[in-house]
Amino acid sequence: QVTLKESGPVLVKPTETLTLTCTVSGFSLRTARLAVAWVRQPPGKALEWLAHIFSTDEKSYNPSLKSRLTISKDFFTSQVVLTMTNMDPVDTATYYCARMEMATVVMDFWGQGTLVSVSS
Amino acid sequence: DIQMTQSPSTLSASVGDRVTITCRASQSINSWLAWYQQKPGKAPKLLIYKSSSLQSGVPSRFSGSGSGTEFTLTVSSLQPDDFATYYCQHYTGYSWTFGQGTTVDFK
Repeated sequence: QVTLKESGPVLVKPTETLTLTCTVSGFSLRTARLAVAWVRQPPGKALEWLAHIFSTDEKSYNPSLKSRLTISKDFFTSQVVLTMTNMDPVDTATYYCARMEMATVVMDFWGQGTLVSVSS
Repeated sequence: DIQMTQSPSTLSASVGDRVTITCRASQSINSWLAWYQQKPGKAPKLLIYKSSSLQSGVPSRFSGSGSGTEFTLTVSSLQPDDFATYYCQHYTGYSWTFGQGTTVDFK
């Protein structure tokens, strides 16, 4: 059974760095055709892709946020970590991690999401 | 960058209606398009991949079509569980783009 679960702070202050962890089970971060992505959704707004990482450690970032994002993974703990620097109230959103399946080119399994609010 | 534009933004419908949502790409994307359903407070759920392939477990009333720059998601007979927001999605080879979403609500 494939599962993903996001964890991290529910509240961060402006200018702080956000660190989110996605813990996966039911699949391996070593599998070639799989990757893990982060997607966010501000309240009442659309989905926005942030970053993803493959088993090869190949990474991609949303160009509009690239300077603020870092994605990494740990095979042994089955975790993918996203950091976002210099948080601002406009970054208030639900942050999801999702499994990417590249044979069909989709995000086929998603975590439940974690709401992060940015406020002083 | 490829932009994905959905229409309409909101669609009011009744149970039993045939519903069609359109997603247009700013340039040709062949058939690399997926559709997701999202309900309030929940994660998106994959419905359709490669433009017209139904994800396992998704009811057959959902169908997708299109290629190039124009794609459609059709629900043949809307059920109470189908009132939700729908997103199209494309992978460029290094980045993902979502449409802005179409909300299907009660007429």
